[in-house]
Amino acid sequence: DTEVTQTPKHLVMGMTNKKSLKCEQHMGHRAMYWYKQKAKKPPELMFVYSYEKLSINESVPSRFSPECPNSSLLNLHLHALQPEDSALYLCASSRGGVVGHSTDTQYFGPGTRLTVL
Amino acid sequence: AQSVTQLGSHVSVSEGALVLLRCNYSSSVPPYLFWYVQYPNQGLQLLLKYTSAATLVKGINGFEAEFKKSETSFHLTKPSAHMSDAAEYFCAVSDLIQGAQKLVFGQGTRLTINP
Repeated sequence: DTEVTQTPKHLVMGMTNKKSLKCEQHMGHRAMYWYKQKAKKPPELMFVYSYEKLSINESVPSRFSPECPNSSLLNLHLHALQPEDSALYLCASSRGGVVGHSTDTQYFGPGTRLTVL
Repeated sequence: AQSVTQLGSHVSVSEGALVLLRCNYSSSVPPYLFWYVQYPNQGLQLLLKYTSAATLVKGINGFEAEFKKSETSFHLTKPSAHMSDAAEYFCAVSDLIQGAQKLVFGQGTRLTINP
């Protein structure tokens, strides 16, 4: 099974709300990723977790807070977002390892479409 | 830093015609290159990847790509387009940052198939 699941599929929130996005994989992958994708643009990397530890933070504003509770789960906590944060948020996972692999395939979930009012 | 450039934000071909989507890379070291496809309202799916094992790489759905070092290119082709190929296609280069993989995507090419 090469499936990455994401919930919810759609989310509408106000600028004062707190919400969370959830991502799950059961492929035994040790690397997990959050991407942001605006309309008609490529995905932009936000965070990378390797062995449940944050490896890369691409200077993402603190209103986005990632969490990796275990090797199968990845959350993205949202607080005080701005309308420009409206986008498709994609989660991905890959084999990973103690030393990362540039040739790994990243498997993407279907995304959560977020609208901030 | 490594990067990729996709030539043509929009390509339109007739059903049954050759599909050619262009990708050029910039890298000071041998690159690892990927082609991903994104159907409307979906995530990305790997079509194929170059890992230096062979310069001609075959992928899913009849797609293939050839790595040409002399031209710094990794163009995606399919001999005969199907209506179901209509999608957004992304070329990407992979790098290791602090021990973790980072994919850097091109701007994407939207493929339209005319009946």
